[in-house]
Amino acid sequence: DAKTTQPNSMESNEEEPVHLPCNHSTISGTDYIHWYRQLPSQGPEYVIHGLTSNVNNRMASLAIAEDRKSSTLILHRATLRDAAVYYCIRLNAGNNRKLIWGLGTSLAVNP
Amino acid sequence: EAQVTQNPRYLITVTGKKLTVTCSQNMNHEYMSWYRQDPGLGLRQIYYSMNVEVTDKGDVPEGYKVSRKEKRNFPLILESPSPNQTSLYFCASSSAQVNSPLHFGNGTRLTVT
Repeated sequence: DAKTTQPNSMESNEEEPVHLPCNHSTISGTDYIHWYRQLPSQGPEYVIHGLTSNVNNRMASLAIAEDRKSSTLILHRATLRDAAVYYCIRLNAGNNRKLIWGLGTSLAVNP
Repeated sequence: EAQVTQNPRYLITVTGKKLTVTCSQNMNHEYMSWYRQDPGLGLRQIYYSMNVEVTDKGDVPEGYKVSRKEKRNFPLILESPSPNQTSLYFCASSSAQVNSPLHFGNGTRLTVT
């Protein structure tokens, strides 16, 4: 199955770091890992992506395990606006650009 | 502002009455796609288009049609809507590069009675 595995829900406190795990044990060598998030009543929003190396951008960091069977999205300081459903997705570079979406992790942020 | 615009945001219709959901992007993106989102099933791709006049089926194309006559527009057509097409629909676009981020519209909530 090409879908990834994520916890259904997680909770964090405002201003604290959040580590969102993702398992993709059947990943192939050409699959990229993409993360999107969906805020309430909005369309999904791109967060970050990577292949083998850890990646950083203004929104988050992505840590990819050496065997690439798992990855972790890191929000360095959670804010209330980070409350959303976070999706970890595999993208095969040779595919028709299709992203196979799972159900994601619903992140609650407590003030 | 770079954006993907869907219309309408909400639509209630009856079985069998043809409808069109419009999608337009202002980023000159080659790739466009339609998804539906249902509780417990996540987002599933309906159709996609790699460029003008090039469209192909996604995972759940039955009951839907699309066209891509212009680069900016990618309408979703339901010729004869049925209640099982009640869903939240999203249009997305991206540039041609494989890892280009998808930009999503804000969705169209369709109810078919």
